[in-house]
Amino acid sequence: DAMVIQNPRYQVTQFGKPVTLSCSQTLNHNVMYWYQQKSSQAPKLLFHYYDKDFNNEADTPDNFQSRRPNTSFCFLDIRSPGLGDAAMYLCATSLQGGSEKLFFGSGTQLSVL
Amino acid sequence: GQQVMQIPQYQHVQEGEDFTTYCNSSTTLSNIQWYKQRPGGHPVFLIQLVKSGEVKKQKRLTFQFGEAKKNSSLHITATQTTDVGTYFCAANFGNEKLTFGTGTRLTIIP
Repeated sequence: DAMVIQNPRYQVTQFGKPVTLSCSQTLNHNVMYWYQQKSSQAPKLLFHYYDKDFNNEADTPDNFQSRRPNTSFCFLDIRSPGLGDAAMYLCATSLQGGSEKLFFGSGTQLSVL
Repeated sequence: GQQVMQIPQYQHVQEGEDFTTYCNSSTTLSNIQWYKQRPGGHPVFLIQLVKSGEVKKQKRLTFQFGEAKKNSSLHITATQTTDVGTYFCAANFGNEKLTFGTGTRLTIIP
């Protein structure tokens, strides 16, 4: 089945140690998103790619970076994780963006020690 | 910035009772979507509303979009334990992205 896959499901890193989260999709969608979701809060958009065009949210910290080497894969890099970056990170896709529905991966739960 | 408020934040109901969550914006929306997130899970798309005053039904779920396209509601009739989760509205203000509401967490008392 076509889907959005995130690995790993759980990631533990140390304070200040760079970490990369990965997302892949078999839906062939043009748009890929990264959301941060903290406990009991709504998903917060960090950035998204429309094809190769990168779109950063104004309030996304510089500590967060992303790469999309091809249509299928997208990575979230956290250069120097702080304790406040512990959260669920959700990858999502949509065919053309805008008002189209989102398909979410299962998420990566990041812990920072 | 553009915000979307949802009420209530939490709702506890007896199994079999009805449940409603409301989503409100101060700005006219292009369209609105609803998602359900089970505990420990990820958001799953339920429905999209586009037209003013639109009403859509999915079995026991009824979705409405306000006449002014500034508010929306999700109503569940005769809740079941499988309805447990957090329900988010997600609004589109006519740009490329969706803004998620604050969510309503539904718990069911058997």
